[in-house]
Amino acid sequence: QLQLQESGPGLVKPSETLSLTCTVSGGSISSSSYYWGWIRQPPGERLEWIGSLSRSGSTYYNPSLKSRVTISVDTSKNQFSLKMSSVTAADTAVYYCARLRWQGGYYFDYWGQGTLVTVSS
Amino acid sequence: DIVMTQSPDSLAVSLGERATINCKSSRSVLDSSNNKNYLAWYRQKPGQPPKLLIYWASTRESGVPDRFSGSGSGTDFTLTISSLQAEDVAVYYCQQYYTTPTFGQGTKVEIK
Repeated sequence: QLQLQESGPGLVKPSETLSLTCTVSGGSISSSSYYWGWIRQPPGERLEWIGSLSRSGSTYYNPSLKSRVTISVDTSKNQFSLKMSSVTAADTAVYYCARLRWQGGYYFDYWGQGTLVTVSS
Repeated sequence: DIVMTQSPDSLAVSLGERATINCKSSRSVLDSSNNKNYLAWYRQKPGQPPKLLIYWASTRESGVPDRFSGSGSGTDFTLTISSLQAEDVAVYYCQQYYTTPTFGQGTKVEIK
């Protein structure tokens, strides 16, 4: 059974960089059939796609966040990571990592449990 | 971005009764080249991540009970729970994947 687990600091100071890692178990992140990505949910707000990583290593980002976001992969550890720079209180959210099915567009078929990141001094 | 709007924001349904959730997209998510609607539905139980229920607007994910069904095309979609069970208390989201993925605001389903 595929499992994803987010890890990283739960508290980040304004203007600093948020860093999260997603560890995948029960399957290979190098699988040719799937993409991997990050979604967040600010308190009381809707889910927001942050970005995705294809099996070839190509990255795709939400245009509203693109200037501040980097997604990378470490296949040796079966992990992928999110970095978001210059964070503000508006970036406070539960952050989820997920597996994506690419079929001309993508939806999310496995999710991590999520991790709350609070931006505060 | 395509804006997804769900209605109602919340509803209370008796156990065993039908629950209906609507989702409207600001523009069509139907690809006329393959006649597929790029629309998915998720259920998020309290304290849990979202779980995929339906994709292509009406295809149930493996393992999802058949009391869940999706319908609609173009800009108007519906998720129906034919006989509400206690474990269906959750927030339900629609998501379009025709372009940059976007989600609806969620519909909270409770027991009456």
